[in-house]
Amino acid sequence: NAGVTQTPKFQVLKTGQSMTLQCAQDMNHEYMSWYRQDPGMGLRLIHYSVGAGITDQGEVPNGYNVSRSTTEDFPLRLLSAAPSQTSVYFCASSRTGWGLEETQYFGPGTRLLVL
Amino acid sequence: RKEVEQDPGPFNVPEGATVAFNCTYSNSASQSFFWYRQDCRKEPKLLMSVYSSGNEDGRFTAQLNRASQYISLLIRDSKLSDSATYLCVVNRDQTGFQKLVFGTGTRLLVSP
Repeated sequence: NAGVTQTPKFQVLKTGQSMTLQCAQDMNHEYMSWYRQDPGMGLRLIHYSVGAGITDQGEVPNGYNVSRSTTEDFPLRLLSAAPSQTSVYFCASSRTGWGLEETQYFGPGTRLLVL
Repeated sequence: RKEVEQDPGPFNVPEGATVAFNCTYSNSASQSFFWYRQDCRKEPKLLMSVYSSGNEDGRFTAQLNRASQYISLLIRDSKLSDSATYLCVVNRDQTGFQKLVFGTGTRLLVSP
């Protein structure tokens, strides 16, 4: 199993450009989520999904869109990139999203720089 | 005030030392607690869950104090490979749904 994979690893964008961060998992997990990690702050939840066709907002959803057409994939779209979106983005998945001790598995991250 | 607070460190210790980190959380309704480890420029990985009765996994011991709302992680006989950032994570949702809140992490540097 590859686990959780993310592409690209690095990306530089200009303000106003759009892009999609890809995330895929091969563990048949229902729950998938996107976090961003900034210096001096903990990981913050952007959006999450509890299954194909179901998504919801997390703590910091503004400026980001998601969709979940398959169990495996959960892309994150930036429609008009802003410098404030410079961050490291992690995708994560877990079996159901429920259960006090369910483990979340993280992808290797995408480092995004918006100029 | 942050919902989960940790001392950012770094904690510099020699190999073989014992080191302890604390983490405090503000939401008394939080139901589950974890320690994750994050190596430099890598993704977080679960180190261990934290149980009310305290739990041990090899050289690592985790404790939970609900009355004072803090969690601790003790590492005995530190190894060079323990150098990493340790993230305190709290699930704030009372129903069991995963709404994780991450601390900013405590950096540990183990030297020869």
